[in-house]
Amino acid sequence: GDSVTQTEGQVALSEEDFLTIHCNYSASGYPTLFWYVQYPGEGPQLLFRASRDKEKGSSRGFEATYDKGTTSFHLRKASVQESDSAVYYCALSDLATGGNNKLTFGQGTVLSVIP
Amino acid sequence: EAAVTQSPRNKVAVTGGKVTLSCNQTNNHNNMYWYRQDTGHGLRLIHYSYGAGSTEKGDIPDGYKASRPSQENFSLILELATPSQTSVYFCASGDPGTYAEQFFGPGTRLTVL
Repeated sequence: GDSVTQTEGQVALSEEDFLTIHCNYSASGYPTLFWYVQYPGEGPQLLFRASRDKEKGSSRGFEATYDKGTTSFHLRKASVQESDSAVYYCALSDLATGGNNKLTFGQGTVLSVIP
Repeated sequence: EAAVTQSPRNKVAVTGGKVTLSCNQTNNHNNMYWYRQDTGHGLRLIHYSYGAGSTEKGDIPDGYKASRPSQENFSLILELATPSQTSVYFCASGDPGTYAEQFFGPGTRLTVL
């Protein structure tokens, strides 16, 4: 079945540091890839998505590029702020498995930004 | 504004008891989903629905039932709750299609003693 792996379970940074969260996926078809963000006490919300190879998704200074060759969709931000502290989820949706928009999520990465 | 709401927000149940978690959406979306969130596992799909009257098993359906009586409402039912079902549960709605975003509710924290 489909799977998503996030390497980092927790990341602690200082403000203005560079952020990378690694995401690799395995899917039988050609999935759409997503990054969701979850702030404390809330449900996850979409950060951005990408649906084809080499497409870059971006929002609020975060970005990730769909790489079919390395099956990756790594999240990056050049300069993090305390307000970016949240849980970040990489996810995929694959119509090839008849998923009808079902999402497969990674394990999540807790980002803590120290002012 | 479109929204997904869940009730209750917090629930304490006893082992062997019946628990019903409710979800309501005003997005007019056809699809609805139930996930549970656990540290180290992320979000895992329990049940989902294509519309009123339909329910489908997700990746971890054992011990759970679902009910979709209308477009707006989707319930998750634990007939015999167990401590292993202690978790945070999220409901979401979305339209069909691989590009479509899912909209999540605020979650229900369930503790089974």
